Amino acid sequence: EVQLVQSGAEVKKPGESLKISCQGSGYSFTTYWIGWVRQMPGKGLEWMGIIYPGDSDTKYRPSFQGQVTISADKSISTAYLQWSSLKASDTAMYYCVRGGDQPLAPSAEYVHHWGQGTLVTVSS
Amino acid sequence: EIVLTQSPATLSLSPGERATLSCRASQSVSSYLAWYQQKPGQAPRLLIYDASNRATGIPARFSGSGSGTDFTLTISSLEPEDFAVYYCQQRSGWPPGVTFGQGTKLEIK
Repeated sequence: EVQLVQSGAEVKKPGESLKISCQGSGYSFTTYWIGWVRQMPGKGLEWMGIIYPGDSDTKYRPSFQGQVTISADKSISTAYLQWSSLKASDTAMYYCVRGGDQPLAPSAEYVHHWGQGTLVTVSS
Repeated sequence: EIVLTQSPATLSLSPGERATLSCRASQSVSSYLAWYQQKPGQAPRLLIYDASNRATGIPARFSGSGSGTDFTLTISSLEPEDFAVYYCQQRSGWPPGVTFGQGTKLEIK
């Protein structure tokens, strides 16, 4: 069974750094892209970007480029989302996501698997 | 960036009724559109991909149609568990240009 297990909720102050994680299991971690989706309180879903863990190639949605860093450590099947200086507007639920089970099929570009979400709260 | 506009924002219906949700793209996305369902406190789940293909385990009462810029999600006969928020998503701009619609809340009348 494919599982994406995310790290726990975080409470941070503006200006602090943060790195949240997403560990994949039940599949070959390097075969499938991992992405991140933001959901601000009471709002909709926003695509942030993806990483291909096999070669660490990353693709960011333009509005998130330079605001966050996506990385992965394939030796421990874990992807990360990090901030160097948090803002109050970064307060949100962050989901790690993965594509379909047939990695070469076009439908693999949709989100078939979701982590449980990590709630990040940034407040002074 | 391709903008997806969903309508209506809120849809109030009763169990057993038919639900029709709309998603319009600012430019053609071919058939590269998916629908997701999100219940309170839960992660979303994939319902429909490539406009009309049901994902694994999705009941037959859910169907999708459309191509180009206009898409529809239809729930033929609402069950109590179907009341949730629904999002459309396009992958025409894969991967950096993937976008979601703003969501339609399907509520019990």
